[in-house]
Formats: sequence, C-alpha cells, structure tokens
Amino acid sequence: KQEVTQIPAALSVPEGENLVLNCSFTDSAIYNLQWFRQDPGKGLTSLLLIQSSQREQTSGRLNASLDKSSGRSTLYIAASQPGDSATYLCAKGEDNQGGKLIFGQGTELSVKP
Amino acid sequence: GAVVSQHPSWVICKSGTSVKIECRSLDFQATTMFWYRQFPKQSLMLMATSNEGSKATYEQGVEKDKFLINHASLTLSTLTVTSAHPEDSSFYICSARLAGYSYEQYFGPGTRLTVT
Repeated sequence: KQEVTQIPAALSVPEGENLVLNCSFTDSAIYNLQWFRQDPGKGLTSLLLIQSSQREQTSGRLNASLDKSSGRSTLYIAASQPGDSATYLCAKGEDNQGGKLIFGQGTELSVKP
Repeated sequence: GAVVSQHPSWVICKSGTSVKIECRSLDFQATTMFWYRQFPKQSLMLMATSNEGSKATYEQGVEKDKFLINHASLTLSTLTVTSAHPEDSSFYICSARLAGYSYEQYFGPGTRLTVT
C-alpha cells in the first residue's frame, strides 16, 4: 500500500511557468510534511518543512501547503527556471521524534529554456 | 552547516562479498541516523534507524543480519551489506538528525552499490 502518492510522476514545462506539484497521503496521523529536491544520482536537499499545526511555508519562489483533513500537500513553484529541473519528493513525518519519513515516488520536473 | 557525508560515493563488488558504507555528520552531533534504500525510479524506503550507542531498529522486511548497522559515535554510522547479491544493488542514502532537534533530517549524497 502506497501511503504517500505524488502526481504527476513527470512534468515538463517551459521556463517562466508557474507550476504545482501534488502530494497526497492516506493516513491522517501526520506530524510534519517535508518537500525535498533530488538531482540525478545525488542525495536529498530539504526545501520546506510544514509542521502539522501549520498550513503553509514559503521560501523564495517556493510555497508549500498542507491540508491534513484532505490528506494533501502542494508545492508551488513560481517563475520556474531550468535550474529547477530535478525530482521533487514529499515525505510524511510519522512521529514527533523527527524519525520515520514515508516518501512519495517523486515528481520528475523538467523546465525547458 | 549540517553537512552529512557518505563514503564511498560508489562501489562495485562481487557477489558474496561484504561492503561497508560510512555516514558522517561533519559539523554537528547526530544522536540518530537513518538509512534508506532507493531503487531506480523509485522512492526512498527507510531501512533502519540508528541511535548512538544502541542497537539499530530495522523496518519490517529488512534483514538485520544482512544489513549490519553500527552507530559507534555521535558523528559516524556504518552500514555493512554482508554477502552482497545483485539484488542488493541500489542507492543507499543516510540522514542524520541534529541532537536536540526534533524534526530536521540532513541527508548524505548517497552511495551507489553495484553487485556483479
């Protein structure tokens, strides 16, 4: 059973476009929701972390929202750039010790110049 | 700050041999480290949670006798893949949690293991 699902699996957009990546989770027991970026063959870079008591977080051109009741989170990227091309992963934090993260499959984003 | 390194970055080994992967927190102390595995085009799957000075906690379906984890200090955890087989070929990523901080995990760059 896939607890965290990301749609779409892949996305290609022209440079400058605003875009939304979706993440849904099946279990409402959530302590936080994190978004990561992964470049090919590399580790993860943390982008945004939303605590369960929060509704959104912003960093630069990125905005992430969390709706616990519907089990969804979105990552909004404004004015996309070719350098944003990467795989974006969301992960649900299942405990308050900052431990277990359940990852989605990721969305592979390609921003064309 | 909060940099995590892994060594080696890639390794090729023959079937039946053992491989050790190191995970280090370079500029902070990590009471807890996590080991993940990622197959191509798939997401990260948590393998085990490693706490300094105690035995690791393994996720369901992960063989603890095959994937030996040692967390001997606040800055180093090791994962040893024993008697590796081709199906163990994967991308192994560790993460470390700052001592005293509940939520942030900092991820290493990963180790690509290929078993021939």
